[in-house]
Amino acid sequence: NAGVTQTPKFQVLKTGQSMTLQCAQDMNHEYMSWYRQDPGMGLRLIHYSVGAGITDQGEVPNGYNVSRSTTEDFPLRLLSAAPSQTSVYFCASSGKIPGQANSPLHFGNGTRLTVT
Amino acid sequence: GNSVTQMEGPVTLSEEAFLTINCTYTATGYPSLFWYVQYPGEGLQLLLKATKADDKGSNKGFEATYRKETTSFHLEKGSVQVSDSAVYFCALSDLGSYKLIFGSGTRLLVRP
Repeated sequence: NAGVTQTPKFQVLKTGQSMTLQCAQDMNHEYMSWYRQDPGMGLRLIHYSVGAGITDQGEVPNGYNVSRSTTEDFPLRLLSAAPSQTSVYFCASSGKIPGQANSPLHFGNGTRLTVT
Repeated sequence: GNSVTQMEGPVTLSEEAFLTINCTYTATGYPSLFWYVQYPGEGLQLLLKATKADDKGSNKGFEATYRKETTSFHLEKGSVQVSDSAVYFCALSDLGSYKLIFGSGTRLLVRP
């Protein structure tokens, strides 16, 4: 049972480079999201999707793009990396609206990104 | 806006000690409340939840009671183990919201 799979686990980029963080889930969840985790700031929502073809911004969307062409995949794109994007990124999915009690978020193991 | 405040860590305890991690929230409406746990090198996992005032969530010996009058959801465990060492996150969501709002996390270290 794979759950939510994120790749890569670690990545180092130079300022200005681009890359895509991959996220896939095999639970047929409609809702998927990306969070970043920074020391002392908890997790902050970057973008989310409530189904294939539908995406929306979270609280810190600048510098990131997303798309949702299939139910399973929700990649996060950094078009021009900046040192401020150094963080740990988590993808999470849920069968329904995450605030509902019977539909918790399922998290991947994270991608640690360093931008120099 | 909605927010969650957790006690600063790290919290260091000896095995079998009593644990309390404080969590208070600010929200409009009637949010659902959650505790998530993050073990080293892993993503977050749901530990327990509560959906209305006076509800008590419990799992793996951990408990938390939804206190609307004090806007709190403190996490407790009567006797911690070394294996409980992790980072604990309090979170809330308004019913029907598309996102969870997380606190900053509290690191727990349990020594043998």
